[in-house]
Amino acid sequence: QKEVEQDPGPLSVPEGAIVSLNCTYSNSAFQYFMWYRQYSRKGPELLMYTYSSGNKEDGRFTAQVDKSSKYISLFIRDSQPSDSATYLCAMSGGATNKLIFGTGTLLAVQP
Amino acid sequence: NAGVTQTPKFQVLKTGQSMTLQCAQDMNHEYMSWYRQDPGMGLRLIHYSVGAGITDQGEVPNGYNVSRSTTEDFPLRLLSAAPSQTSVYFCASSPWGDGEKLFFGSGTQLSVL
Repeated sequence: QKEVEQDPGPLSVPEGAIVSLNCTYSNSAFQYFMWYRQYSRKGPELLMYTYSSGNKEDGRFTAQVDKSSKYISLFIRDSQPSDSATYLCAMSGGATNKLIFGTGTLLAVQP
Repeated sequence: NAGVTQTPKFQVLKTGQSMTLQCAQDMNHEYMSWYRQDPGMGLRLIHYSVGAGITDQGEVPNGYNVSRSTTEDFPLRLLSAAPSQTSVYFCASSPWGDGEKLFFGSGTQLSVL
């Protein structure tokens, strides 16, 4: 079993829709939770960063962490075609503190 | 504002050839790392460095060497290329104490025939 599981998609939604992207994990020591966005043929860029449980909002993006369920989510409101990309979750914590990435979810927002 | 610069962007090698992927950053970041990205596998850490003169192995280090003689540069060497090393390679850096907040380069797409 992988430490971090992420549905690869693809996920196709119409412009303006609310998008929900999710990851589950198995290591209860994880404390830092990130979402990276990766456009085609580009490197990932940090989108959201949260520590421990709770919500964090930045514009149209909301990151949510539920440590009791070992589940994290990224919500995108009023999705735009420019949001079309692969979204990677990542997390770290514990003794090794190594950063572990999910495999990414490919999102396509149709105009 | 260059950030993290990787060269080359594309490379084709024959099995057994060696080459060096270059990575440079201009943000004075202490931490630098190399990842490979393969379909269905996500990003996997190859090697990393927490400062000049200090390197360590990641999850998939076999077949690769690194060195860190300056803060700015962190080259990745493929010693004897194998088809299993066909992948997209990313260099990343982060400030000290913020190892989760990685800044990535634009990647090198490597094919080994």
